[in-house]
Amino acid sequence: GQNIDQPTEMTATEGAIVQINCTYQTSGFNGLFWYQQHAGEAPTFLSYNVLDGLEEKGRFSSFLSRSKGYSYLLLKELQMKDSASYLCAVMDSNYQLIWGAGTKLIIKP
Amino acid sequence: IAGITQAPTSQILAAGRRMTLRCTQDMRHNAMYWYRQDLGLGLRLIHYSNTAGTTGKGEVPDGYSVSRANTDDFPLTLASAVPSQTSVYFCASSSGLDPTGELFFGEGSRLTVL
Repeated sequence: GQNIDQPTEMTATEGAIVQINCTYQTSGFNGLFWYQQHAGEAPTFLSYNVLDGLEEKGRFSSFLSRSKGYSYLLLKELQMKDSASYLCAVMDSNYQLIWGAGTKLIIKP
Repeated sequence: IAGITQAPTSQILAAGRRMTLRCTQDMRHNAMYWYRQDLGLGLRLIHYSNTAGTTGKGEVPDGYSVSRANTDDFPLTLASAVPSQTSVYFCASSSGLDPTGELFFGEGSRLTVL
């Protein structure tokens, strides 16, 4: 079966750095997405990786290793507004998105 | 403001009743999707439409139906609601030109079936 694994919950301190991991097993691969979802709100797009390596976008970076079936989202200079759930999703060979259950990130002052 | 509008935002429904969740987008996106989100689970695709006039089944289509009469609207109907359909429902769209493109989500419809 197809599977996306990410930690259920993480806690970090304001101003610090946090890395949220995602491992996947899917039928084929056409890219990996990260979305941010604040409580009670809609998911919003953060990043897309299809090639190995690091993609940087401001305070957020996303890394992909296709051979390891692994990605991480790196958040720097954490702010209270970064408290949210972070959803990892992989597009399989049929261009269907397989979603992880999300990682709830709690930021403490 | 351009985007996706869902209605209602919240609804409590008696089991056995019929319910339609509405979704309208003004971005002229070809592809539209309905997902449900349940605690501890990833988003699960119910139905999708790659273009007006066509629809397809997702991972959990049973008990739901959709139609796509035009580009903008993609309603989701529960013919006879059951308690297991209690969930938050998200409508989403993408341009469809790039199958790996970004999804844009509506604000969600929280449905409780008693």
